[in-house]
Amino acid sequence: GEDVEQSLFLSVREGDSSVINCTYTDSSSTYLYWYKQEPGAGLQLLTYIFSNMDMKQDQRLTVLLNKKDKHLSLRIADTQTGDSAIYFCAESDNYGQNFVFGPGTRLSVLP
Amino acid sequence: GAVVSQHPSRVICKSGTSVKIECRSLDFQATTMFWYRQFPKQSLMLMATSNEGSKATYEQGVEKDKFLINHASLTLSTLTVTSAHPEDSSFYICSAREQSISEQFFGPGTRLTVL
Repeated sequence: GEDVEQSLFLSVREGDSSVINCTYTDSSSTYLYWYKQEPGAGLQLLTYIFSNMDMKQDQRLTVLLNKKDKHLSLRIADTQTGDSAIYFCAESDNYGQNFVFGPGTRLSVLP
Repeated sequence: GAVVSQHPSRVICKSGTSVKIECRSLDFQATTMFWYRQFPKQSLMLMATSNEGSKATYEQGVEKDKFLINHASLTLSTLTVTSAHPEDSSFYICSAREQSISEQFFGPGTRLTVL
């Protein structure tokens, strides 16, 4: 079946850039997402990218997609303490169905 | 973006009782709603998909008689955990999707603790 993998932990210093990586196996994935989950809270959609795009930028967030390698990354520029959270990578099909989530990457921002 | 609410945000109950969790789409009509379960420090696991007016489709391994889902209107879906036991303690998150739009909007989650 489909599988989404992420590294589980990432620590960065405040002000540095964070890069969270994700790999997926389903080549038919149409949408790829990044969600943020703060402690005890639900999911907040940060951004998503269509599979026919290579890059998407939104303020401090940059998403890069390498469809050939099935690799997705999320770069957070000028990382702040408020960015400390768990970041989930997810994929879905063309109809927004069959969501598959990665295990989440816990980002810790050190002062 | 669209708003999805869940109620209650936290619930503590005794073993053997049933608990109902509501999921509402506040500013759009959700033809499809999804229910997820999240164990501590783990990812989300899809439990079931419900389309308004029809029976929910449950994922493999999810007991439909244990987790009753009702999606009676375009803005409300309910998940009832029947005869809850401590192993049902978890974080339950719903999401909702408008027809023809792929993005899912997630609720804030409900933390269920069964004593």
